[in-house]
Amino acid sequence: DVKVTQSSRYLVKRTGEKVFLECVQDMDHENMFWYRQDPGLGLRLIYFSYDVKMKEKGDIPEGYSVSREKKERFSLILESASTNQTSMYLCASSYHEGTEAFFGQGTRLTVV
Amino acid sequence: EDKVVQSPLSLVVHEGDTVTLNCSYEVTNFRSLLWYKQEKKAPTFLFMLTSSGIEKKSGRLSSILDKKELFSILNITATQTGDSAIYLCAVVPSSNTGKLIFGQGTTLQVKP
Repeated sequence: DVKVTQSSRYLVKRTGEKVFLECVQDMDHENMFWYRQDPGLGLRLIYFSYDVKMKEKGDIPEGYSVSREKKERFSLILESASTNQTSMYLCASSYHEGTEAFFGQGTRLTVV
Repeated sequence: EDKVVQSPLSLVVHEGDTVTLNCSYEVTNFRSLLWYKQEKKAPTFLFMLTSSGIEKKSGRLSSILDKKELFSILNITATQTGDSAIYLCAVVPSSNTGKLIFGQGTTLQVKP
């Protein structure tokens, strides 16, 4: 079974803190994605990566950065957390040819 | 701009009812359409549709794609309380990144 693992299920951080969300997949997928999910807005793409050290901005990259130093790991970084970044964050991975993506269990981040 | 729209955004039915969820899209160079079910955790994959008019079926769930009219439907017959979830539709454009574009999701509540 494909496994996508996110490092935390729940996180509470203070405004201004630097926050790291980690995601690891075990299927040798080329593509990895970070989405945030908010009620009424669906899943919105923050960043994605189609290869090691490659990254592309999604629809809402402001306030975020990413790192992909190894194929299996994709990190999302909130440089200075703000309350409007309180959300559910979902990591996903897939093969290059665009088959279905597999999701991690999600990290519910609250910024206070 | 690529766009996926789901309707209705929310739905409340009683056990035994049949529901139809809609997903329409505007995407440059369509590759596939995916349906996911999300309960209180990671979205789980239901169907991938690439060809018009071919129904995919899994138990009480079925889905079909119309590439001429640019939409898909997800049907659930004889609904059960365990069908309560958010149903997500996503489209994969033709590219080598496998990026998924999601709709807002439909929240289904099935009452006993």
